[in-house]
Parts: sequence; structure tokens; C-alpha cells
Amino acid sequence: KNEVEQSPQNLTAQEGEFITINCSYSVGISALHWLQQHPGGGIVSLFMLSSGKKKHGRLIATINIQEKHSSLHITASHPRDSAVYICAVRSPLYADKLIFGTGTRLQVFP
Amino acid sequence: DVKVTQSSRYLVKRTGEKVFLECVQDMDHENMFWYRQDPGLGLRLIYFSYDVKMKEKGDIPEGYSVSREKKERFSLILESASTNQTSMYLCASSSRTGANVLTFGAGSRLTVL
Repeated sequence: KNEVEQSPQNLTAQEGEFITINCSYSVGISALHWLQQHPGGGIVSLFMLSSGKKKHGRLIATINIQEKHSSLHITASHPRDSAVYICAVRSPLYADKLIFGTGTRLQVFP
Repeated sequence: DVKVTQSSRYLVKRTGEKVFLECVQDMDHENMFWYRQDPGLGLRLIYFSYDVKMKEKGDIPEGYSVSREKKERFSLILESASTNQTSMYLCASSSRTGANVLTFGAGSRLTVL
């Protein structure tokens, strides 16, 4: 079993839809990261969270430490949001190295 | 605005060849990392370095070595490439004093025939 599980694995949406991607983890963490990977490979860091909620433009990330769960929301989705979204946790159990989920592939159609 | 540069986007090599993957960062970061990414497995850490001439094994170091002779450059070496090393390789860096946010390179897709 992976320490970091994401759902769904694949997601399709129509432009304008509200999107939620979920991340559950099984270890104690010091921080959780959301990353975005566009076709071609490059990965961009979207958020780093240790509690509560963060917002950047149309992206919102929340974390519930007690439930070991985080969500990434995209409001008013757009085709340029099509990418793989990756959740990663930093855990003292693993010397604070990042442990990655397998990603959620999002496709937004016009 | 380029911050982490990987020397090759696509490489095709033959089994047994020696392969060098180069990574250079221009942010004066202390920490540098090499990951490989395979479908269904997520990113896995191969090696990392917290300082010049320093290296530590990650989760899957077998078949790989690294070199960090200068702060800005972290090289991944496959001494004798094998077909199971066909993968996407991603380099990343972070600041020791920052928020531990990783900056990634664009990736190097290696195919070993």
C-alpha cells in the first residue's frame, strides 16, 4: 500500500466545471505539497501546506491533519488546466524526504 | 527565467552504454535531487545531495551513481545502462533555508534499447 493515495486517477471535465482532486496519506507529516506536471514533463510546485487552506487564483488547496486528507480544487476549469496533479508529503518518518502519490490526470475539454 | 536545466530532453542509448544526465541550477540552492518517474509508480528518489561533493542514496540507487563537484551541477550516471532504466528522469533543487519547495527541471526521457 502506498503511503500517499490520490483519487481519482483520471478525470475529465468540461470547461467551467469545478474540479476536486483528493489526496490521502497514512503517515505523520510536516508538510504536504501539490504539484502540476504538464505534458512534456516539467513539474511546477503549486502549494505547500501544513494546515488549513491556501488559495492562488482559481486553485484552492485544503488539508485536514486529523483526517490525513487534502483536496485540490480548481474553480472555473479551463483547457489549460489539463495536466497531471501530484500530491506529495514530507514526513519525519522518512527523514523529511518527499513521498509522492501517483498523480491524477486531468483533461478539461472546451 | 530558467532555473533548473537538464541537458537532454530525449536520449536513446543501447544496453551497456554509459549514460550521463546533467542538471544545472542557477538559484544557489544547496539541495539537489534526482528522481525517476514511471507510470503508476510516482516519483522515486534515486540520489540526493545537500552540499558540494556530498551524496546520499535515495530509495532506488542501484545501477546509478552521482557526482556533485560544483554547487550548481548534479550529474546522474548510469555506468552500464539496462532496459529497465528506460524512464523519465527529473532533477530538482531546493534551498536549505527556504520552505523546502522543490524546483524541477523539464525532465530527461531516456530509452535504453
